[in-house]
Amino acid sequence: DIQMTQSPSSLSASVGDRVTITCRASQSISRYLNWYQQKPGKAPKLLIYTASTLHSGVPSRFSGSGSGTDFTLTISSLQPEDFATYFCQQSSITQWTFGQGTKVEIK
Amino acid sequence: QVQLQESGPGLVKPSQTLSLTCSVSGGSITRGFYWSWIRQTPGKGLEWIGYIYDSGATFYNPSLKSRVMISVDTSKNQVSLKVNSVTAADTAVYYCARAPNGVPGLDYGLDVWGQGTSVTVSS
Repeated sequence: DIQMTQSPSSLSASVGDRVTITCRASQSISRYLNWYQQKPGKAPKLLIYTASTLHSGVPSRFSGSGSGTDFTLTISSLQPEDFATYFCQQSSITQWTFGQGTKVEIK
Repeated sequence: QVQLQESGPGLVKPSQTLSLTCSVSGGSITRGFYWSWIRQTPGKGLEWIGYIYDSGATFYNPSLKSRVMISVDTSKNQVSLKVNSVTAADTAVYYCARAPNGVPGLDYGLDVWGQGTSVTVSS
């Protein structure tokens, strides 16, 4: 199976900061990489699909990039509602896998 | 818009079968989607269990494949999950989610999720 490793596991940031989260695949997954946001007690929500396409309704301060094995999720200016946990997920092969998550906390 | 709602017992005894249902409202279970089950534990994070799509073909996580079955009841607009011979390790929040069929080079992600249902395996 394909292992997905996110870094960092957690970070502290302030409102207005630029935040970057990295996701690395154990083998090439082309651009079959999706990003999700999850708040406590809630289901994950899709943010970005196929590495860089913003899902409907997602604010433009979120962006994604990468291909092959290395991917990034960037929040250009962190807002109070963005404090949450972020997960990457690969769909390159029929066995989907998720990263372990990155928790974004208030500094 | 389409909404998903998981339901089932919150407590299951070890060695028994865990059975969950995902009810789809606001749309029908039609061709063109992967209907998936995912679970989440504090220790293992998000774990994909498997999915069923279009013709009824299923794919399962190899680590669970021998104990898991996913099926669709189009007359009831429901997706079901069964996990046999459960242990404490199957204690988790279980989510159903939908992924639209993609095309080569494009995957649309899991765009609709249920709220999740908590299942504890304990005697």
